Amino acid sequence: GQQVMQIPQYQHVQEGEDFTTYCNSSTTLSNIQWYKQRPGGHPVFLIQLVKSGEVKKQKRLTFQFGEAKKNSSLHITATQTTDVGTYFCAGRTSGSARQLTFGSGTQLTVLP
Amino acid sequence: SAVISQKPSRDICQRGTSLTIQCQVDSQVTMMFWYRQQPGQSLTLIATANQGSEATYESGFVIDKFPISRPNLTFSTLTVSNMSPEDSSIYLCSVGPAGGERTQYFGPGTRLTVL
Repeated sequence: GQQVMQIPQYQHVQEGEDFTTYCNSSTTLSNIQWYKQRPGGHPVFLIQLVKSGEVKKQKRLTFQFGEAKKNSSLHITATQTTDVGTYFCAGRTSGSARQLTFGSGTQLTVLP
Repeated sequence: SAVISQKPSRDICQRGTSLTIQCQVDSQVTMMFWYRQQPGQSLTLIATANQGSEATYESGFVIDKFPISRPNLTFSTLTVSNMSPEDSSIYLCSVGPAGGERTQYFGPGTRLTVL
């Protein structure tokens, strides 16, 4: 079955440093989504990438979708304490268009 | 957007008993999903629930253990049957994809502890 892996599993950064999490799928994806889950909360949708090589930005967050549509990354510039949480990627394949397969997540801690 | 509520928000149950979790959506949706998230782990899809048909279960999950009802387009229940401590987890209801961004929306989750 489809597998989606994320690295790193944990990341501790000083406030103001940058942060990147990487997502890799065992199969080609039709699209990939990113979610943020605050401690004690539920996943909240951040963005969706659909096109090969697509790059989207949301303020300090930059999302990329690989040319082969099998990998993706989320980069946060100048982290803030409000960025704390676990970031999940989740991919859909064309064969199961309505099902999301979640990555293992990257737990980000920002030290003040 | 879709607003999802779940009941109960949390429960502590004894081994061998069953718990039914309710999921209510503020709009009609075709597909509802049930996920499990064990402490510190990612989300694992349990089953997909369509109104008017049997739920579709993912590998490792069976109907006898996790019966699901979907009586209408805004409501679903998941029952965790004959519970054991290994069932301690957060259970999340989800709907989607929806909207132009094909967003998946999640309920607040039900935190289950089995003693």
